[in-house]
Amino acid sequence: GIQVEQSPPDLILQEGANSTLRCNFSDSVNNLQWFHQNPWGQLINLFYIPSGTKQNGRLSATTVATERYSLLYISSSQTTDSGVYFCAVTGNQFYFGTGTSLTVIP
Amino acid sequence: ETGVTQTPRHLVMGMTNKKSLKCEQHLGHNAMYWYKQSAKKPLELMFVYSLEERVENNSVPSRFSPECPNSSHLFLHLHTLQPEDSALYLCASSRLAGMSSYNEQFFGPGTRLTVL
Repeated sequence: GIQVEQSPPDLILQEGANSTLRCNFSDSVNNLQWFHQNPWGQLINLFYIPSGTKQNGRLSATTVATERYSLLYISSSQTTDSGVYFCAVTGNQFYFGTGTSLTVIP
Repeated sequence: ETGVTQTPRHLVMGMTNKKSLKCEQHLGHNAMYWYKQSAKKPLELMFVYSLEERVENNSVPSRFSPECPNSSHLFLHLHTLQPEDSALYLCASSRLAGMSSYNEQFFGPGTRLTVL
């Protein structure tokens, strides 16, 4: 199967700070998604981004498929951004990374 | 309702009980999935159904039995579970299963299961 590695595993930010989360994958993929899992366990779709760059408010993502990585940028972080961020890729099935646990402190 | 719904949201059961988890998707998708998420572990894919046929079974113990009566509904029947089966069970759906040029997954809110 495809290995999906996310870094850093844990991140603590002061409110208002910016951050970059990284997702590396071991093989060519057709699709890549970023999710935010809130404290209640709900996985919220952030981006569907097999390649290129997308922006949604304070969040943006870039996937460089040829180099097998994706980046999620969070700007002006807020306490509501806290939670776990997962990337998932599609090979012959969906493969999830181990996540980045983000805590934003006021 | 919209999106993917799951019931119940919380479930406590004894090891000898039989219970079922229900998932329903309102997105017109053809593929549905069960995932298990244990504490401090990544999501584990359990089962995949595409057009109501099981296409993936990732070495899941037989005490978990999935059922997909139609493309909108997915069940997970539970019997004689063990305490280590306590976890968050997530259902997801996508337009298609497997490799596809467009295959975005959408998740339900999950069922938090505790086995005593």
